[in-house]
Amino acid sequence: EDQVTQSPEALRLQEGESSSLNCSYTVSGLRGLFWYRQDPGKGPEFLFTLYSAGEEKEKERLKATLTKKESFLHITAPKPEDSATYLCAVQANSGYALNFGKGTSLLVTP
Amino acid sequence: NAGVTQTPKFQVLKTGQSMTLQCAQDMNHEYMSWYRQDPGMGLRLIHYSVGAGITDQGEVPNGYNVSRSTTEDFPLRLLSAAPSQTSVYFCASSRTSYNSPLHFGNGTRLTVT
Repeated sequence: EDQVTQSPEALRLQEGESSSLNCSYTVSGLRGLFWYRQDPGKGPEFLFTLYSAGEEKEKERLKATLTKKESFLHITAPKPEDSATYLCAVQANSGYALNFGKGTSLLVTP
Repeated sequence: NAGVTQTPKFQVLKTGQSMTLQCAQDMNHEYMSWYRQDPGMGLRLIHYSVGAGITDQGEVPNGYNVSRSTTEDFPLRLLSAAPSQTSVYFCASSRTSYNSPLHFGNGTRLTVT
């Protein structure tokens, strides 16, 4: 059975304090790994798709990386507006469904 | 483009009542899906559709029906509401059924008393 585990559940950073969020996964053949950002009261917003081990993608202060067992979302010099819940999801070769982790709630304080 | 539009934003039902959550997308996306989000559970797939006239069950389909008569619309029907269906429901669509990012609506918060 496909499983996605995100850690930590919650993370509090000071503005400018870089850190990483982890997404560990088990899937029978990875088709794609997706990162989303979710603000309170809103739907998830797409950030990145990663397809194969070694792949990296960047957007502003965010950088996503992928290995065969996990993905990291690195946040460099975060700002308060980066505060949100970050969700990781995997899609297996065998189906259409995205299997989501429970998310990491990030709070960046000034 | 409006993207994915869900109505209503909030709904309160009594146990046993039925209702339909509406979802429409204006991006000509092939794939549409419904998720529910509960505290501590993450997003769980209810039903999905890979095109007009084609639907299938996800992880938690019991108590819900869907249909896809047009590319744009994908309503979710609660047949007889139960307190366990209290949740936030998200509709999402993507250009294709694989390797395409999902675009989410802003959700319907449903309370069943």
